[in-house]
Amino acid sequence: SQQGEEDPQALSIQEGENATMNCSYKTSINNLQWYRQNSGRGLVHLILIRSNEREKHSGRLRVTLDTSKKSSSLLITASRAADTASYFCATGGSQGNLIFGKGTKLSVKP
Amino acid sequence: DAGVTQSPTHLIKTRGQHVTLRCSPISGHKSVSWYQQVLGQGPQFIFQYYEKEERGRGNFPDRFSARQFPNYSSELNVNALLLGDSALYLCASSREWTGSRETQYFGPGTRLLVL
Repeated sequence: SQQGEEDPQALSIQEGENATMNCSYKTSINNLQWYRQNSGRGLVHLILIRSNEREKHSGRLRVTLDTSKKSSSLLITASRAADTASYFCATGGSQGNLIFGKGTKLSVKP
Repeated sequence: DAGVTQSPTHLIKTRGQHVTLRCSPISGHKSVSWYQQVLGQGPQFIFQYYEKEERGRGNFPDRFSARQFPNYSSELNVNALLLGDSALYLCASSREWTGSRETQYFGPGTRLLVL
């Protein structure tokens, strides 16, 4: 079963623009994680935000978490062509696993 | 330090055959998880192993099995392959079995095509 649901499903922007992706989830969480996947390869961990945090930064990435709305957003500032990838949010399952959404496919055009 | 490694990178099988996929975790990591990712979808949890014991199982049929060895490497076995088993199989490792409370590090995956 899916917990996280990313929105939009696909996003196309020009280099230098900002990209915002959203994630909604259904049940209470301890933390929420964002991963990136380049062209059907392995997932790369981007950032983990805990349930008692509202905002977290890592380089050009900014993640927000609103537990009252059960939603999170990932902002990539000053995007580059190399940011082209699929982005997934993930929350914790009952068996210690991660539950992923379907992802947002980001295309950054040079 | 080497990351999570998986072998083989690509595999083509026919329906009814059996397949074994292998994963070596990051040195010092004791937990290994397996995920299946069908094209256009997010990864789906198959198994998690910690200290050679199964700690979690996703909603997959008994044709799927796995094990973890004393060196913490792991194998995923799939019997009686179906066309629908075609997917990218991802292995992830983490230091301990703390569930989703810590980062999981993913390997590059094994792309399985069943004809």
